[in-house]
Amino acid sequence: KAGVTQTPRYLIKTRGQQVTLSCSPISGHRSVSWYQQTPGQGLQFLFEYFSETQRNKGNFPGRFSGRQFSNSRSEMNVSTLELGDSALYLCASSQPGTVRNTGELFFGEGSRLTVL
Amino acid sequence: GQQVMQIPQYQHVQEGEDFTTYCNSSTTLSNIQWYKQRPGGHPVFLIQLVKSGEVKKQKRLTFQFGEAKKNSSLHITATQTTDVGTYFCAGRDSSYKLIFGSGTRLLVRP
Repeated sequence: KAGVTQTPRYLIKTRGQQVTLSCSPISGHRSVSWYQQTPGQGLQFLFEYFSETQRNKGNFPGRFSGRQFSNSRSEMNVSTLELGDSALYLCASSQPGTVRNTGELFFGEGSRLTVL
Repeated sequence: GQQVMQIPQYQHVQEGEDFTTYCNSSTTLSNIQWYKQRPGGHPVFLIQLVKSGEVKKQKRLTFQFGEAKKNSSLHITATQTTDVGTYFCAGRDSSYKLIFGSGTRLLVRP
């Protein structure tokens, strides 16, 4: 069974640009979560999607957005990039059966974004 | 909002020594999960604890969930170089967001 796939793995952007990251969850998983990982802040929750609906959102500015498609694939977008957006963006899928998502997360390898 | 604190931030041990990381939440957790992230890798799920006072073992790893379901610990007996990595606890808040602790980075001297 294929794992969580994230593309691109590495990318370099300049301030003011926008970026779109893609995540394909494990087959059959309907929940996708996104996290930002930086050395100083650890793993910060961005958002969670389930069946194309955003179920939860972290404390990030509106420049960070996401969506989920009917095949459970998800994308996140960051507009007007800032230097501080440089980070590893991790996507994780899980297979929740109920609203109380208590499933374990399966992480992808991440997309490492560098903003110059 | 909910905060999950983890200590220590770093731990450098001699191979064979024991290691413990502690996780504390500002609110009661419905459950707690533990993940390990090897250097350059991604977090990998280790275990989930659900019941108050629960203790689970995985070979040399022992996981505990506090009676009040606000704290947890991971203890590794006789560390090996393969234990190197960052260990994260993660708890679900009242809206079921999975909030990660800041992590404990374990370094093992051979």
